[in-house]
Amino acid sequence: GDQVEQSPSALSLHEGTGSALRCNFTTTMRAVQWFQQNSRGSLINLFYLASGTKENGRLKSTFNSKESYSTLHIRDAQLEDSGTYFCAAEQQGTGSKLSFGKGAKLTVSP
Amino acid sequence: DAAVTQKPRYLIKMKGQEAEMKCIPEKGHTAVFWYQQKQSKELKFLIYFQNQQPLDQIDMVKERFSAVCPSSSLCSLGIRTCEAEDSALYLCSSSQWGRGSDYTFGSGTRLLVI
Repeated sequence: GDQVEQSPSALSLHEGTGSALRCNFTTTMRAVQWFQQNSRGSLINLFYLASGTKENGRLKSTFNSKESYSTLHIRDAQLEDSGTYFCAAEQQGTGSKLSFGKGAKLTVSP
Repeated sequence: DAAVTQKPRYLIKMKGQEAEMKCIPEKGHTAVFWYQQKQSKELKFLIYFQNQQPLDQIDMVKERFSAVCPSSSLCSLGIRTCEAEDSALYLCSSSQWGRGSDYTFGSGTRLLVI
């Protein structure tokens, strides 16, 4: 079954606005990563978190392992933020193998 | 450019043909992973190597794929007999084992089986 439930599956933002993506986990995860996939298919590593919150520019991510969820907040969205965002989690005891969410397609428009 | 290199970028095969794609992991990384992605949907784990040894793989890989890492600087993923359902983007990633923060992906090999 799906261990990583990601929502929403698609999101449209106007430039300058913001929103959040969320992943819920059905089993205990020891770490979460967020990726942006561009139009060429390349996956860009945005964040890796074992716990807590990290911020990088207009992006902020939180991982709450006890409540089994993670969020990615985007503020002041820009056109180049468009793409598909994936969360991926490392399950306890499985080494570094990642279980991916289904992705969220973000479209930023002028 | 990605620190993980994948070749070729595109691959077209007829049904029944053999396919092979290669991955050069990031220098110093000892763990190599292969994932399959169809139509920009979620990535599906295929196989995982640690220090060139396969530690985990799904049944599909055992049955129809061939995957090896003959050296620490080269891994390959092959499909013995391509099927239409194998059309996908194949992504290779590497990390220092146990350190997810070093998880780096290549740009992928896009396979089309016709």
